[in-house]
Amino acid sequence: QVQLVESGGGVVQPGRSLRLSCAASGFSFSGYAVHWVRQAPGKGLEWVALISHDGSKKNYADSVKGRFTISRDNSKNTVYVEMNSLRAEDTALYYCAREGSGWSLDHWGQGTLVTVSS
Amino acid sequence: QSALTQPASVSGSPGQSITISCTGTSSDVGGYKYVSWYQQRPGKAPKLMIYDVSNRPSGVSDRFSVSKSGNTASLTISGLQAEDEADYYCSSYTSRSTNWVFGGGTRLTVL
Repeated sequence: QVQLVESGGGVVQPGRSLRLSCAASGFSFSGYAVHWVRQAPGKGLEWVALISHDGSKKNYADSVKGRFTISRDNSKNTVYVEMNSLRAEDTALYYCAREGSGWSLDHWGQGTLVTVSS
Repeated sequence: QSALTQPASVSGSPGQSITISCTGTSSDVGGYKYVSWYQQRPGKAPKLMIYDVSNRPSGVSDRFSVSKSGNTASLTISGLQAEDEADYYCSSYTSRSTNWVFGGGTRLTVL
């Protein structure tokens, strides 16, 4: 079955960097775009970034543009997001999700928690 | 501030029907069929409930349906059940540079 597993979260000081990973299994990974979506504690969902199936297209929310970089390694069935210059407002549970039909996110991981605090 | 507007909360009794609205603009909800809805139970990851405005993934109850009029899409849950209690989010393709936008979410309480 389709499975997405995020890792790499933790506590980091403001201004530092962190890299999250999303390991996929159970489907033909190289045929699907993948997104990152985050959820601050007690808040709603916020779309963060997407990468196309072959990595040729990337897009970012305005709130992270210039600080976050999404990438993928289809040989490892993994998507990454490199997060630089982290701010307190980046504190959130970060989910990766597979893009399905009609610009929907049809499978989600369980999330990895990022806490930005001094 | 979310680009798509949803009511913060709705409630209903078991067996009743409720509707959650999702209002955007002609750059997103009103301009495209790519509206999807997600259910998020406490402590769980979101789950896709509806895509392409009105399509349900396999396994999703037909008690969930969507309509769209102008810049507003509406999720209706009929025959409300206790297990429907959750947060619901709409999402849409947008012609703005980000291409993707969520609503602020609606908490459904089953009385």
